[in-house]
Amino acid sequence: TQLLEQSPQFLSIQEGENLTVYCNSSSVFSSLQWYRQEPGEGPVLLVTVVTGGEVKKLKRLTFQFGDARKDSSLHITAAQPGDTGLYLCAGEGVKAAGNKLTFGGGTRVLVKP
Amino acid sequence: NAGVMQNPRHLVRRRGQEARLRCSPMKGHSHVYWYRQLPEEGLKFMVYLQKENIIDESGMPKERFSAEFPKEGPSILRIQQVVRGDSAAYFCASSGLLAGDHGYTFGSGTRLTVV
Repeated sequence: TQLLEQSPQFLSIQEGENLTVYCNSSSVFSSLQWYRQEPGEGPVLLVTVVTGGEVKKLKRLTFQFGDARKDSSLHITAAQPGDTGLYLCAGEGVKAAGNKLTFGGGTRVLVKP
Repeated sequence: NAGVMQNPRHLVRRRGQEARLRCSPMKGHSHVYWYRQLPEEGLKFMVYLQKENIIDESGMPKERFSAEFPKEGPSILRIQQVVRGDSAAYFCASSGLLAGDHGYTFGSGTRLTVV
């Protein structure tokens, strides 16, 4: 069974501060995806990382995939209240495991103005 | 979440009734996935279907739950004889081929409340 652990579970920061969310596993994934979910809505894909060591930037968000493709991090620079939400990482299994996603437990981020 | 349509958005059922949740994937997507989310938790995989085929149902409870994706029409997640523990948000996602770089597109979910 593939498991993904996210930390921290909850993060409360002031506007302008930086934050990092971690996603760790003992399993290898063919890709690692990050989603953001607003209350009452489904998750919305932010980014997919595929190659070990890969770094992707999306405005103030930086995503990194570990060299061994077992872990990932999401870093937000100069957080804004609009960044508030539930951030979910999800791993796509290697081909033999099928196409299903394994989700982490989520990190709830609150950015106070 | 434009493209993946789920209905109803909210569903209230009494214990023992049946719940039917519908999902129409994005146009051109032939892979449908159902996930369940309890409050303050991540999403748990339930089942993966292609047209007329169940590919992976390893996350489905053994009893009362079933899913289908017929040749025509939406995918249906059916829960018979609902119990309070079935109360959750149920999300459907669709993809084309392997999700790979494109990820999955999720619907807005159906929130099931069992009273």
